[in-house]
Amino acid sequence: AQTVTQSQPEMSVQEAETVTLSCTYDTSENNYYLFWYKQPPSRQMILVIRQEAYKQQNATENRFSVNFQKAAKSFSLKISDSQLGDTAMYFCAFMKHNYGQNFVFGPGTRLSVLP
Amino acid sequence: DAGITQSPRHKVTETGTPVTLRCHQTENHRYMYWYRQDPGHGLRLIHYSYGVKDTDKGEVSDGYSVSRSKTEDFLLTLESATSSQTSVYFCAIRVHLTANTEAFFGQGTRLTVV
Repeated sequence: AQTVTQSQPEMSVQEAETVTLSCTYDTSENNYYLFWYKQPPSRQMILVIRQEAYKQQNATENRFSVNFQKAAKSFSLKISDSQLGDTAMYFCAFMKHNYGQNFVFGPGTRLSVLP
Repeated sequence: DAGITQSPRHKVTETGTPVTLRCHQTENHRYMYWYRQDPGHGLRLIHYSYGVKDTDKGEVSDGYSVSRSKTEDFLLTLESATSSQTSVYFCAIRVHLTANTEAFFGQGTRLTVV
């Protein structure tokens, strides 16, 4: 079974600075997806960024980027120019590439952006 | 939001009573999921469905059952609620686009068993 680990239960960052959230996963699969989801206090789950394992290039979405290290099974999220609205729980998630698979989530990292 | 809604949004129930949570989607996606969210555990899969009347268990399925009689509706039932089932429950759908896939979530249901 796949597992996802987020070793930082809580983090904080000053507004406008950069922060990196860590995620590691365990799988024997070669093709899969990785995701970062954000959950603000509203409780809504919002996709931040997505990476396909066969793509070597790291995904970027505006201020959000990932460092995908397939051999190390590591998938960290970098948030640049942190904003107060980035305060949220962040979940790393994994999904095998095949149909019939489900999303496996890590325990989450609570990020606080300080003014 | 991919047209996914959960009901109710909040519920308080007594131990031993049955409870049904509803997930409704408007876009005929094949895969639907029920997760529970608890502090320190992230989201854990309860049950999922890959079509009408096609369901399977997740990692925390004990005490829960599901039904999917129509593509658009996925019901989660707690047959006899216990305090350990106090949690926030999320329904999700898998949206598969060309070369991409993504989960869209409902707003969540906060269930308290007293």
